[in-house]
Amino acid sequence: DAGVIQSPRHEVTEMGQEVTLRCKPISGHNSLFWYRQTMMRGLELLIYFNNNVPIDDSGMPEDRFSAKMPNASFSTLKIQPSEPRDSAVYFCASSLRGTGGGKETQYFGPGTRLLVL
Amino acid sequence: SQKIEQNSEALNIQEGKTATLTCNYTNYSPAYLQWYRQDPGRGPVFLLLIRENEKEKRKERLKVTFDTTLKQSLFHITASQPADSATYLCALDKAAGNKLTFGGGTRVLVKP
Repeated sequence: DAGVIQSPRHEVTEMGQEVTLRCKPISGHNSLFWYRQTMMRGLELLIYFNNNVPIDDSGMPEDRFSAKMPNASFSTLKIQPSEPRDSAVYFCASSLRGTGGGKETQYFGPGTRLLVL
Repeated sequence: SQKIEQNSEALNIQEGKTATLTCNYTNYSPAYLQWYRQDPGRGPVFLLLIRENEKEKRKERLKVTFDTTLKQSLFHITASQPADSATYLCALDKAAGNKLTFGGGTRVLVKP
């Protein structure tokens, strides 16, 4: 398996522009997570999906952030408009959620390094 | 509020020695705890999972303990090697749902 795939790997944009990050989870996994990592705040969960349905978006910073999962093999995280404080590494992770509840490990993608000027 | 604390200072250790990392948590009752390794420029990689009713778990040169009374987990790397140099993150769940909350991580540097 190719693992979790994220694109782009690097993104440099100007303040006010729209940014779209993409993620392809591991085939067969039914949970998908978006994280943001900064030196100051560490690794923060933004939103997660089970079976393509958003379950918890309490970590999404504000309305400028939105995430979708139109099917089991694709998800996007969009920032519109982007701001310099959004600069961070964004990770996507996937897992296989069992019927017994959450004891699964998460498999992370390589991340997208975002710089907003 | 819920809090997970890992030593933010880097741990410098001589090759062959045992590295011990701590993960303390407050206002949490996790059902299980996980440890991940993160190398620069890469995503975290799962290492070990320990459940609340387990005291200790081992995998090759790694050992994890979980003390729910002290609200603490210890992560040991025995016979450390320079290739063990990385940042190590602990993560806790809640019994309901599969959401993980990560600690800030501890950087380990093993010197030859």
